[in-house]
Amino acid sequence: AQSVTQLDSQVPVFEEAPVELRCNYSSSVSVYLFWYVQYPNQGLQLLLKYLSGSTLVKGINGFEAEFNKSQTSFHLRKPSVHISDTAEYFCAVSDSSGYSTLTFGKGTMLLVSP
Amino acid sequence: DVKVTQSSRYLVKRTGEKVFLECVQDMDHENMFWYRQDPGLGLRLIYFSYDVKMKEKGDIPEGYSVSREKKERFSLILESASTNQTSMYLCASKDSFNSPLHFGNGTRLTVT
Repeated sequence: AQSVTQLDSQVPVFEEAPVELRCNYSSSVSVYLFWYVQYPNQGLQLLLKYLSGSTLVKGINGFEAEFNKSQTSFHLRKPSVHISDTAEYFCAVSDSSGYSTLTFGKGTMLLVSP
Repeated sequence: DVKVTQSSRYLVKRTGEKVFLECVQDMDHENMFWYRQDPGLGLRLIYFSYDVKMKEKGDIPEGYSVSREKKERFSLILESASTNQTSMYLCASKDSFNSPLHFGNGTRLTVT
């Protein structure tokens, strides 16, 4: 079984500053990794995913994440945030050995202020 | 674009009522999921289905059941609603096993 830890429940940041949202996972097998974003009163939408290949993954809205197998991490970064990035961000993991359900972290609320 | 539609955005039910939450997807996805989302707990999987008439328990199935009579529709049933089932319920679907999930906008259920 897999598990996901998002170390920060809330991250306040000023507009145009860089941000990193941290995610660590635990698994005994190879994994697929995902970041989802949830804007207020909406469902979740995919930001980016890592399945294989390059460890640096680029997603929508200028976000990127780096898969670090030795540190079992998949941190999400953006060099310059906008007010519109205010949302809740979820890291998720599934195993890559076959059919597997997705396990989500508890979420990190990104609060961008002017 | 994949569309996952949840029939109700808000629902208010009384304790003991039988509650149906409906979800329909329009992309012929085989896999469908029901999650509940609670503050500080993230998303927790209730039930999922890999095919019509097939269902599997997730992490928190107690107090819930599901029905999948047609490929595009996946229903979550609360046989006798209780106040601790007040939550946001999210339906999702996906194509193959390494595809991302596509979510509906959620149903916020309040049980009084």
